Amino acid sequence: AQSVTQLGSHVSVSEGALVLLRCNYSSSVPPYLFWYVQYPNQGLQLLLKYTSAATLVKGINGFEAEFKKSETSFHLTKPSAHMSDAAEYFCAVSDPGGGADGLTFGKGTHLIIQP
Amino acid sequence: DGGITQSPKYLFRKEGQNVTLSCEQNLNHDAMYWYRQDPGQGLRLIYYSQIVNDFQKGDIAEGYSVSREKKESFPLTVTSAQKNPTAFYLCASSVGTTTNEKLFFGSGTQLSVL
Repeated sequence: AQSVTQLGSHVSVSEGALVLLRCNYSSSVPPYLFWYVQYPNQGLQLLLKYTSAATLVKGINGFEAEFKKSETSFHLTKPSAHMSDAAEYFCAVSDPGGGADGLTFGKGTHLIIQP
Repeated sequence: DGGITQSPKYLFRKEGQNVTLSCEQNLNHDAMYWYRQDPGQGLRLIYYSQIVNDFQKGDIAEGYSVSREKKESFPLTVTSAQKNPTAFYLCASSVGTTTNEKLFFGSGTQLSVL
């Protein structure tokens, strides 16, 4: 079974500072990888996804993530944090080999932006 | 606008009671999913459906039931057998049934026990 680990349940950065949210996956084959964001009391919305086309993936709101097979990682970054980035972020993985049972999600990282 | 509508936004269940959470989509998506979200636990899959009149159990299906009589509707019933139902429930859909498809989410239902 696939799994995804998000390091750090809470990450705090200052406004204008670099945002780095970590995600590592376990899979025998390179999976499809996703980052979703959730604002309070709302559903999730897709930030970006990796499906093997390019290792550096650019998403919405200035976020990007880099797929590193050797490190089995898909960390999310943003050069300069904004107050509106405060939210819960989820990394998710699926198996490109088959199955239609949705995604496996990490436990989430709560991003706090300090003024 | 197209999207997924979940109702109600807040729901309270008495002990021994079954309750049903509604999920409707007008995106013409084939696949629909129910996830349960607990603080610090991420999202866990309850049930999913790839096509009308067919659905499969996810990782935590015990104490839940679903139906898929129409393409646009996928209601979830939390039965009295679910002893710890308090959670945030999210419904999602996707265009196809392959696992590289983007999931579209509803805004969720918060279920609490009285």
